[in-house]
Amino acid sequence: GAVVSQHPSWVICKSGTSVKIECRSLDFQATTMFWYRQFPKQSLMLMATSNEGSKATYEQGVEKDKFLINHASLTLSTLTVTSAHPEDSSFYICSASHDRGSGGQETQYFGPGTRLLVL
Amino acid sequence: GENVEQHPSTLSVQEGDSAVIKCTYSDSASNYFPWYKQELGKRPQLIIDIRSNVGEKKDQRIAVTLNKTAKHFSLHITETQPEDSAVYFCAVNAGGTSYGKLTFGQGTILTVHP
Repeated sequence: GAVVSQHPSWVICKSGTSVKIECRSLDFQATTMFWYRQFPKQSLMLMATSNEGSKATYEQGVEKDKFLINHASLTLSTLTVTSAHPEDSSFYICSASHDRGSGGQETQYFGPGTRLLVL
Repeated sequence: GENVEQHPSTLSVQEGDSAVIKCTYSDSASNYFPWYKQELGKRPQLIIDIRSNVGEKKDQRIAVTLNKTAKHFSLHITETQPEDSAVYFCAVNAGGTSYGKLTFGQGTILTVHP
């Protein structure tokens, strides 16, 4: 159980285009989804927290107009990188958790990640 | 915000030896401490976690100890095997929130030599 999928697994795009990444929880309802970015040989940096049916909460320094997040259902969240530039090239990983009322102690399950290369 | 420090950044051991990775955190309200293993190009996989109502948890060759007073917790791997080679990340939740936001440590590259 607790499987999270991500699509696409990799994408190459031209500078200025927009890219949409999907994150799905396959066998559980994800009340909260998280989006991370990971540069080579670095840690995971949280970009935003997404709750179903409400606006995402962005971390300091993350542009909400550039990284659009939609959590339309309990099994799907999307991240759209708008007007992508080469510096946006990175490994984007989502995670999902189910609120069981344990006050923020829920396990996060990660998707396989999406490698974005902007030319 | 939460500050998580992880040490060492790299760790090299011989097969069969033990490996210990330590993390310190700053927010005394934090109450959930998972450890993730990430192989090259793959997703982070949860290997063990501990909640603040216990001081130690063990799962076969892996154990985690927590010292809430000192605000540090450690991952212990015994009888290491080459397949344990990976990057290990500790994480700490944002205490007092209901959404479980995690802050990750910098990671430890563990290499187990046959």
